[in-house]
Amino acid sequence: GAGVSQTPSNKVTEKGKYVELRCDPISGHTALYWYRQSLGQGPEFLIYFQGTGAADDSGLPNDRFFAVRPEGSVSTLKIQRTERGDSAVYLCASSLTNEQFFGPGTRLTVL
Amino acid sequence: AQKITQTQPGMFVQEKEAVTLDCTYDTSDQSYGLFWYKQPSSGEMIFLIYQGSYDEQNATEGRYSLNFQKARKSANLVISASQLGDSAMYFCAMREVLSGVGTSYDKVIFGPGTSLSVIP
Repeated sequence: GAGVSQTPSNKVTEKGKYVELRCDPISGHTALYWYRQSLGQGPEFLIYFQGTGAADDSGLPNDRFFAVRPEGSVSTLKIQRTERGDSAVYLCASSLTNEQFFGPGTRLTVL
Repeated sequence: AQKITQTQPGMFVQEKEAVTLDCTYDTSDQSYGLFWYKQPSSGEMIFLIYQGSYDEQNATEGRYSLNFQKARKSANLVISASQLGDSAMYFCAMREVLSGVGTSYDKVIFGPGTSLSVIP
């Protein structure tokens, strides 16, 4: 069956621009997580959705970051006024129980 | 304060030998979950094993077992009969969940990882 997909796989943008990263979870998975992984580090928790609502958004670094999941399936992570420090791989994971299934990630490069 | 500590930045193991990857965690919650993930150089994150804080038996999945010592707050991963394909980064992670009036959270925190190299 289809796994978690993320688009785009790579995104290069200029400092100050707005970007949207998309995550398509496994069908039927109610839980969805966003993480950010910088080179040589472990994934950093950003936000967790249970259904349509954000159950925990405490990991979002500042108000330039926002995520939505309007129908409880696809989620979009939105970053305003991008900065060079936002460059990282953004990972999405979905789960039904304890095991999280990760997508391949979106590599964001801010020039 | 570090929630998840992995003290071994890099480890080497001979093929077919067993290896233990260390993980200690910090939480005041009674209910939590512990995970191990493998990340090869390709970048994909692969779930290996899960242990709930109330599980009395150590979790096992094939060649992977989790040595859970609750009082010491440690959750070490043991890989038996190492294979060349086991060479990768390994991450320990903890899920903390609290549902309460005024305060609630549900997050997964990852450690910094251990790089494992299997030598032929």
